[in-house]
Amino acid sequence: SQTIHQWPATLVQPVGSPLSLECTVEGTSNPNLYWYRQAAGRGLQLLFYSVGIGQISSEVPQNLSASRPQDRQFILSSKKLLLSDSGFYLCAWRVIAGRTGELFFGEGSRLTVL
Amino acid sequence: AQTVTQSQPEMSVQEAETVTLSCTYDTSESDYYLFWYKQPPSRQMILVIRQEAYKQQNATENRFSVNFQKAAKSFSLKISDSQLGDAAMYFCAYRSSLYGGATNKLIFGTGTLLAVQP
Repeated sequence: SQTIHQWPATLVQPVGSPLSLECTVEGTSNPNLYWYRQAAGRGLQLLFYSVGIGQISSEVPQNLSASRPQDRQFILSSKKLLLSDSGFYLCAWRVIAGRTGELFFGEGSRLTVL
Repeated sequence: AQTVTQSQPEMSVQEAETVTLSCTYDTSESDYYLFWYKQPPSRQMILVIRQEAYKQQNATENRFSVNFQKAAKSFSLKISDSQLGDAAMYFCAYRSSLYGGATNKLIFGTGTLLAVQP
């Protein structure tokens, strides 16, 4: 069966420090991968999605970047964190061949920037 | 662009009672998919139920069912026999049926926080 893992689960970082959140999917190949952010009391905002290795699409201009170095690995990064980067980050995947296209989510990473 | 609206920020229901969460969406497409996701305090998003727009029959998953009104662009979730474990944030989501590019993404509403009273 397919599983998705995110780490770290919790992260407290000072303003201006770098960030790296990792997401790995197991049990499937060539998935679509997504990074969402959920700010306190708000819905989910799509940050990046990827349809293949090295292919990254950005939804909103921001301080963050994403990379997909391997088929089932998706990384969210920042060179210098801002206070506004605080939030709950969710990685998700989808089977491309599946018609209904629901997303399966990881456990999430709580980022607090101080 | 498609949008999803959940007009109820918070709802409350007594244990064993029934509650309905509202969702409306805006699209010019005729074929698409709709979803309800549940986010419990553990924060992991869990798929509750899905509906394909070309199907007239409302989807049902055990105690969860939807009322899909395509013409009205409405997609409400009904939870019957509510249980304490149903307490969570519920998100409605939309996805185009088209393949490729930006149409692969899910568009989420802002969520409804459901409290279940014992």
